[in-house]
Amino acid sequence: EDQVTQSPEALRLQEGESSSLNCSYTVSGLRGLFWYRQDPGKGPEFLFTLYSAGEEKEKERLKATLTKKESFLHITAPKPEDSATYLCAVQGNTGGFKTIFGAGTRLFVKA
Amino acid sequence: DGGITQSPKYLFRKEGQNVTLSCEQNLNHDAMYWYRQDPGQGLRLIYYSQIVNDFQKGDIAEGYSVSREKKESFPLTVTSAQKNPTAFYLCASSMGRRDGYTFGSGTRLTVV
Repeated sequence: EDQVTQSPEALRLQEGESSSLNCSYTVSGLRGLFWYRQDPGKGPEFLFTLYSAGEEKEKERLKATLTKKESFLHITAPKPEDSATYLCAVQGNTGGFKTIFGAGTRLFVKA
Repeated sequence: DGGITQSPKYLFRKEGQNVTLSCEQNLNHDAMYWYRQDPGQGLRLIYYSQIVNDFQKGDIAEGYSVSREKKESFPLTVTSAQKNPTAFYLCASSMGRRDGYTFGSGTRLTVV
């Protein structure tokens, strides 16, 4: 069964304190791993898609990396406006390309 | 600007009533999805549609129904058969099956 586990559940950082969020996954034939950002009371906003191990993508202070078992979302010198819930999702070969979402990591950045 | 519009933002339903949540997109995306989000859980797939006049059940379709009569529209009906309908409902679309999703702003449904 395809599974996605995100850790930690919540992360509190000081402004400028770099850290990483983890997404561990089990999937039959990875077709894509996705990262989203979700602000309270709003829909998720697409950030990145990673397709194969070793791939990396960057956007401003965010960098996503992928191995065969997990993905990391690295946040460099975060600012308070980076506070949000970050969701990881995977899509495998089975189940009609169904996308499985993790429960998310809530990030709080204090000024 | 292109995007997905969900309405209403908040919805209150009495037990035993059916309600319909609206989802409209102007992105020319073929695929559309409905997810349910509950606190502490990942998004769970209710229904999805890859083309007009065709849709498939997701993991938690019981008590829900959908239609896809137009490419732009994918309404979700929460029926009285849904035992625990209070949740945040999200509609999404994508160009292809391997693409990231564009989400709407969500509808928060509360049963009173």
